[in-house]
Amino acid sequence: QSALTQPASVSGSPGQSITISCTGTSSDIGDYKFVSWYQQHPGKAPKLMIYDVSKRPSGVSNRFSGSKSGNTASLTISGLQAEDEADYYCNSYTTSSTPHWVFGGGTKLTVL
Amino acid sequence: QVQLVESGGGVVQPGGSLRLSCAASGFTFRNYGAHWVRQAPGKGLEWVAFIRYDESDKYYADSVKGRFIISRDNSKNMLFLQMNSLRPEDTAVYYCAKNLAYYYLDVWGKGTTVTVSS
Repeated sequence: QSALTQPASVSGSPGQSITISCTGTSSDIGDYKFVSWYQQHPGKAPKLMIYDVSKRPSGVSNRFSGSKSGNTASLTISGLQAEDEADYYCNSYTTSSTPHWVFGGGTKLTVL
Repeated sequence: QVQLVESGGGVVQPGGSLRLSCAASGFTFRNYGAHWVRQAPGKGLEWVAFIRYDESDKYYADSVKGRFIISRDNSKNMLFLQMNSLRPEDTAVYYCAKNLAYYYLDVWGKGTTVTVSS
């Protein structure tokens, strides 16, 4: 049960766009569309931002979007705002060995 | 409103046991699966366990398999995590989360802290 691979940190200025990658294998991201993204502010619980690779739950800004190509999923945040500064985690469902869920290591987004 | 509230965390010695609880409200708990996810100090999220809405399936991370048991009481809207043979590396904030469409975690509690130390 190996973690998905994310960059440790990304940064951008207000108004810019950034993309966070999440690389898995053909047993998880590559084989399923069940990719989700979570935002976590310091000391807070995670919040679901994207599910089904690219769908947004009600109430999540349309500045957040998701995509997938092969074994890599991506989260793009456009029009960066100060409140977007947080940790972001990708997640995938997989049935490799037994059914389970795997998170990425997390990416710290800094808004400059 | 939809809410999950964890309890039962604390300090325990290595080899000891602890039972975490998660109280659900604001939705029909018995219709949804649920997860436990943990986060060690300064580290990322780690999925721990999942239980289907009717307890027909239970899945565990390799790191806790054979030591932790997930269960639920739908009559009381409660989710549980029995943690045995605890190790220092089990030290973390433990979150319960509601399942969305089987594959996602859409509502999270605020977490309860477990510290395994002598």
